[in-house]
Amino acid sequence: DVKVTQSSRYLVKRTGEKVFLECVQDMDHENMFWYRQDPGLGLRLIYFSYDVKMKEKGDIPEGYSVSREKKERFSLILESASTNQTSMYLCASSLEFGEAFFGQGTRLTVV
Amino acid sequence: DQQVKQNSPSLSVQEGRISILNCDYTNSMFDYFLWYKKYPAEGPTFLISISSIKDKNEDGRFTVFLNKSAKHLSLHIVPSQPGDSAVYFCAAKVVRVGNEKLTFGTGTRLTIIP
Repeated sequence: DVKVTQSSRYLVKRTGEKVFLECVQDMDHENMFWYRQDPGLGLRLIYFSYDVKMKEKGDIPEGYSVSREKKERFSLILESASTNQTSMYLCASSLEFGEAFFGQGTRLTVV
Repeated sequence: DQQVKQNSPSLSVQEGRISILNCDYTNSMFDYFLWYKKYPAEGPTFLISISSIKDKNEDGRFTVFLNKSAKHLSLHIVPSQPGDSAVYFCAAKVVRVGNEKLTFGTGTRLTIIP
């Protein structure tokens, strides 16, 4: 079974803090993704990576950066958290041309 | 610009009946479509997919239909069961090397009434 693990289920951070969301997959997938899910907006792609040290902007990259130093790990960084970044964050991984497998999600609240 | 649209935010269906969830898309380059199911506080799980070279794909109680000329796909669940109550997302992508980006719809909350 593919396992995608996100480091936290729930996080509460203060405005202006630097926030790290970590994601690890155990199936040697080339591709990894970060999405956020908001009511009425569905899942929106923030960044994705198709190889180590490679990254591509998704639809809403502003205010975020990513890091992929190892194939199995993909980190999402909020440089200076703001209240409009309160959301459910979902990490996913996939093989080339395969379906994406998601982690359990991180509910981030910025106060 | 919402390229994948699910116009029904919610749907209620009696247990044992057919559930039909709809999805429309605007980008004619999309050639691979997927449905995901999501329970609260969990990540989405893959359900079923269809390539644009087909117009139907079936897996147990789940069938996806694709109408390319109408840019429309639908997911049929027969018979509906209480465990099917969840939010369903359709997603689409353009299949080419280096492009694994999935574009999702806004989701439809399905409630199965016992």
